Amino acid sequence: AQTVTQSQPEMSVQEAETVTLSCTYDTSESDYYLFWYKQPPSRQMILVIRQEAYKQQNATENRFSVNFQKAAKSFSLKISDSQLGDAAMYFCAYRSGQGAQKLVFGQGTRLTINP
Amino acid sequence: DAGVIQSPRHEVTEMGQEVTLRCKPISGHNSLFWYRQTMMRGLELLIYFNNNVPIDDSGMPEDRFSAKMPNASFSTLKIQPSEPRDSAVYFCASSPNRGMATDTQYFGPGTRLTVL
Repeated sequence: AQTVTQSQPEMSVQEAETVTLSCTYDTSESDYYLFWYKQPPSRQMILVIRQEAYKQQNATENRFSVNFQKAAKSFSLKISDSQLGDAAMYFCAYRSGQGAQKLVFGQGTRLTINP
Repeated sequence: DAGVIQSPRHEVTEMGQEVTLRCKPISGHNSLFWYRQTMMRGLELLIYFNNNVPIDDSGMPEDRFSAKMPNASFSTLKIQPSEPRDSAVYFCASSPNRGMATDTQYFGPGTRLTVL
């Protein structure tokens, strides 16, 4: 079974600075997708960014980018120019590229933005 | 476009009562997922449907839980009888299921269930 591990329960960063959230996963599959979801206090789960495992190029979405290291099974999220609105729980998630469509989530990292 | 709609947003009930959570997926999406979020277990899949058919219900905790999807625009998750340990946030999500990375799961706002 696939597992996702987020080793940082909490992180904090100064507004306008850059922060990196870590995620590692375990799988024997070669075809899969990785996601970062954001959960603000409203508890709505919001997709931040996604990465296809077959793509070597790291995904970027405005201030958000990932560092995808397939061999190391690592998928970190970098947030540049942090804003107060980035404060939330961040979840890393895995989905198989074949068969099961379910998302397997990590335990989450609570990100605090200091003004 | 309307997102995934869940009702109620909050539910408080007493142990032993029946609870029904409702979900309306995004129009055109043919996969629907029910997740549960607790402090102890995090986010975990309970069950998911493709084209209204249950595909994987291995996450349903026990027989007290049941889920149905009578049509493409409606699903229910029922707990009978409810217990305090069922207290959690229950999310419904839907996705297009085209076998692509863009088959992102879009989540509803969740239902916070409290069983006293």
